[in-house]
Amino acid sequence: GEDVEQSLFLSVREGDSSVINCTYTDSSSTYLYWYKQEPGAGLQLLTYIFSNMDMKQDQRLTVLLNKKDKHLSLRIADTQTGDSAIYFCAESIGGGSYIPTFGRGTSLIVHP
Amino acid sequence: DTGVSQNPRHKITKRGQNVTFRCDPISEHNRLYWYRQTLGQGPEFLTYFQNEAQLEKSRLLSDRFSAERPKGSFSTLEIQRTEQGDSAMYLCASSSDWKNTEAFFGQGTRLTVV
Repeated sequence: GEDVEQSLFLSVREGDSSVINCTYTDSSSTYLYWYKQEPGAGLQLLTYIFSNMDMKQDQRLTVLLNKKDKHLSLRIADTQTGDSAIYFCAESIGGGSYIPTFGRGTSLIVHP
Repeated sequence: DTGVSQNPRHKITKRGQNVTFRCDPISEHNRLYWYRQTLGQGPEFLTYFQNEAQLEKSRLLSDRFSAERPKGSFSTLEIQRTEQGDSAMYLCASSSDWKNTEAFFGQGTRLTVV
């Protein structure tokens, strides 16, 4: 995950918004993803954004992309205890295989 | 359930033994990926198949690792002469040609080498 970096931990109060940040290095990244992993489980694709977009909203999730700074963020509105998990940022390059490259993940802890 | 299925879910083996994992992708998904995830890390790419052809391999895939997808459906990942450093979660994902931007992951196989 050296091409994709994330902060390791985030703690928020239930009902607040959470913002998870990610930076990537490859300017030819075509797609950027957010995956969620709950304890002992596989990865669940939450949302993704094409590199020519700067924002995507899906219910409580908002993805912002700053391509110039190679910065991606995921905002979760009205964070719930069920949102506690590890969130992975990933990038892929088009042209065929679209193999996602992952960061180390941000552990989101939601407390009452 | 039509998601990606991996078996077994857990495997404990002695160092030096061979192990084989199986992945059944979502039906009609012709792309299949294997990843390895160690504690506190993100998934690391191992190898990628398009149908039965193995198109990419990571340098992480040492000579002791071999993956196959003989009929372009399920895939197996074999590790020979396991080492303690092979202990990890092995994840499989699949995607389709027409929506290759979305890779769906299985629950993983957790390998413990003792």
